Amino acid sequence: SAVISQKPSRDICQRGTSLTIQCQVDSQVTMMFWYRQQPGQSLTLIATANQGSEATYESGFVIDKFPISRPNLTFSTLTVSNMSPEDSSIYLCSVGLADTQYFGPGTRLTVL
Amino acid sequence: DQQVKQNSPSLSVQEGRISILNCDYTNSMFDYFLWYKKYPAEGPTFLISISSIKDKNEDGRFTVFLNKSAKHLSLHIVPSQPGDSAVYFCAASEGGGGADGLTFGKGTHLIIQP
Repeated sequence: SAVISQKPSRDICQRGTSLTIQCQVDSQVTMMFWYRQQPGQSLTLIATANQGSEATYESGFVIDKFPISRPNLTFSTLTVSNMSPEDSSIYLCSVGLADTQYFGPGTRLTVL
Repeated sequence: DQQVKQNSPSLSVQEGRISILNCDYTNSMFDYFLWYKKYPAEGPTFLISISSIKDKNEDGRFTVFLNKSAKHLSLHIVPSQPGDSAVYFCAASEGGGGADGLTFGKGTHLIIQP
C-alpha cells in the first residue's frame, strides 16, 4: 500500500479565488489521480496525472479550471480556479499500485 | 448515465449476521472491480478486488462475487461487526485497478445493529 497525505485538510474560500491542493506519497508512483466527491454524490474522476506529461482530463473537466502539476513521482497539486459555490466538494488524490488504487484523506472545500 | 449502480442507499444488519452489498454495472469493458469502505471525514479505504477472469475472491471476512453475464457483483461480510458500519463503494476499471481511473457507484451506508 501507500501512505498519502493531502494539504489542506479543509478550507473555506470566497468565490472567485483559487485554491491549490497538495498530494504527497511516501513512495514513487507512476499513476496519480484526482477525484471529486460533491455533497451526496459518488466520487468522480477529474484527471490522471502522470509525471513528465500533461494531465489527462475526463469529460466535463478542463485544464483552465483544474490545472494539475506533477513535478516528480511522489507529489502532485490540483488547483481549483475561479471558484464558485458549485465547487464545494471533497477533493481526493489517489495512487495506482499494481491493480489497486489507494486514496488520500481528502480536502474538504467550501466556497462561499 | 451511471455505469456503476448501487441501488441500496442504506442497509441495516444485526451484529454477527451476514451483510450483502450489491453492485450492478453496464459497461462491458470493465475488467476489474474494487470495493472501498469510507468513514466520515476520511478517504476511501481499499477492501477487496476481483478481476473479470474470476468469479470469487475471498479475504478474511470479506468475499466478493462476480457474475459477468448478469453484470453484477456483491460483497459479503461475515460475521458483521460494529466497526463495519460505514459507506461502501463499488468501483470499476477498464484497465486494471491501478492503471486507469475508477468509476464509482453512489455507495451503500451499512449500519451494523448491536
